[in-house]
Amino acid sequence: GENVEQHPSTLSVQEGDSAVIKCTYSDSASNYFPWYKQELGKGPQLIIDIRSNVGEKKDQRIAVTLNKTAKHFSLHITETQPEDSAVYFCAASPQIGGYALNFGKGTSLLVTP
Amino acid sequence: DAGVTQSPTHLIKTRGQQVTLRCSPKSGHDTVSWYQQALGQGPQFIFQYYEEEERQRGNFPDRFSGHQFPNYSSELNVNALLLGDSALYLCASSRGGGRGYTFGSGTRLTVV
Repeated sequence: GENVEQHPSTLSVQEGDSAVIKCTYSDSASNYFPWYKQELGKGPQLIIDIRSNVGEKKDQRIAVTLNKTAKHFSLHITETQPEDSAVYFCAASPQIGGYALNFGKGTSLLVTP
Repeated sequence: DAGVTQSPTHLIKTRGQQVTLRCSPKSGHDTVSWYQQALGQGPQFIFQYYEEEERQRGNFPDRFSGHQFPNYSSELNVNALLLGDSALYLCASSRGGGRGYTFGSGTRLTVV
């Protein structure tokens, strides 16, 4: 089955800096790659997603890039703010018969003022 | 607009007991998936229900079963609870079987 690896497991940045989280996946059939933000005591919240026919997608301070050849995708957060502090999860999902999201182990992001 | 609602929020059960968790999907959504999230880990897919049928199942034993009702709400049942079943159980809904999932806040299950 699909194996998603996520790095780093923890990330600490200063307010205003950029943060980058990277994921790799194993199943070449995967074609949907969402990113979720999970705050303490809450469920994961979808922040951005990308499909395999697109190489990059942006939404204000958040961007995701996808390299299908290398089987990796990354989350970029610019101008970080303390409220960006949370655990971020990447996930991958195959196209055929694929409704399950296969999650990475998460990155705990801390943005210090 | 109510999001995904799960009940109860917390639950303590004894090893060997059975538990039922409940989920109401977001308004307009008809597909419900269940995930198990152990402490410090990413969510793991248990199964998905669409049109009242289990459409896909993850690598979980038969002790885990579910149901979807005509109003699209769903239940997750776990029999013969083990200590290792202690986790946050998340329900996620989407529309038309799509993969734009909305997650609930989960049910924290503790097995003692």
